[in-house]
Amino acid sequence: SQQGEEDPQALSIQEGENATMNCSYKTSINNLQWYRQNSGRGLVHLILIRSNEREKHSGRLRVTLDTSKKSSSLLITASRAADTASYFCATEGANSGGSNYKLTFGKGTLLTVNP
Amino acid sequence: GAVVSQHPSWVICKSGTSVKIECRSLDFQATTMFWYRQFPKQSLMLMATSNEGSKATYEQGVEKDKFLINHASLTLSTLTVTSAHPEDSSFYICSAAKLWGGHGFSGNTIYFGEGSWLTVV
Repeated sequence: SQQGEEDPQALSIQEGENATMNCSYKTSINNLQWYRQNSGRGLVHLILIRSNEREKHSGRLRVTLDTSKKSSSLLITASRAADTASYFCATEGANSGGSNYKLTFGKGTLLTVNP
Repeated sequence: GAVVSQHPSWVICKSGTSVKIECRSLDFQATTMFWYRQFPKQSLMLMATSNEGSKATYEQGVEKDKFLINHASLTLSTLTVTSAHPEDSSFYICSAAKLWGGHGFSGNTIYFGEGSWLTVV
């Protein structure tokens, strides 16, 4: 079942602005991951944050995780037109150990960065 | 990063025929691969978990006899859509789990293929 819920569902900003997307989930997790998908293409892994981490950075990306609120945010700073894509959060459940590292995806946020 | 190759990228088949989609991990061994289905502007829906050397684990509501999964080696999983119908037309994406871990914590990074567009006419 899909437990992640991203908001907003769609976000349109101007180049250079920051974009913030949020994700909420329902069950205990091992980690939370953010992915990017260009239209009609596969997914690209952006960043993984473990359940014992609160914040992580990678280039222009900043991810936060609040396990008490079961939520995460993805911040893209100084956005570019090339950042236009759908962004999904995905959670690996705390009970999905062993050989079954199953991810549950949210519904995604469609980000449009206007030049 | 790791590379997962999916083939074919797109396929058109006639209603009633079967079509096979391959998913290969090119530079790592993947004991676990996943097959997803994605309708336009929607999220990924997990269909099944493919485990090397054993039967796939299907999600609720996914017909195992219609979507045959074979994970014959540590680098290859195949999805065969049997007796395809127009409603099976969709974007199918595979992923492979590359494990990382150390003391205390472990997890996986999932690498996705580029997806396969299936159109059943």
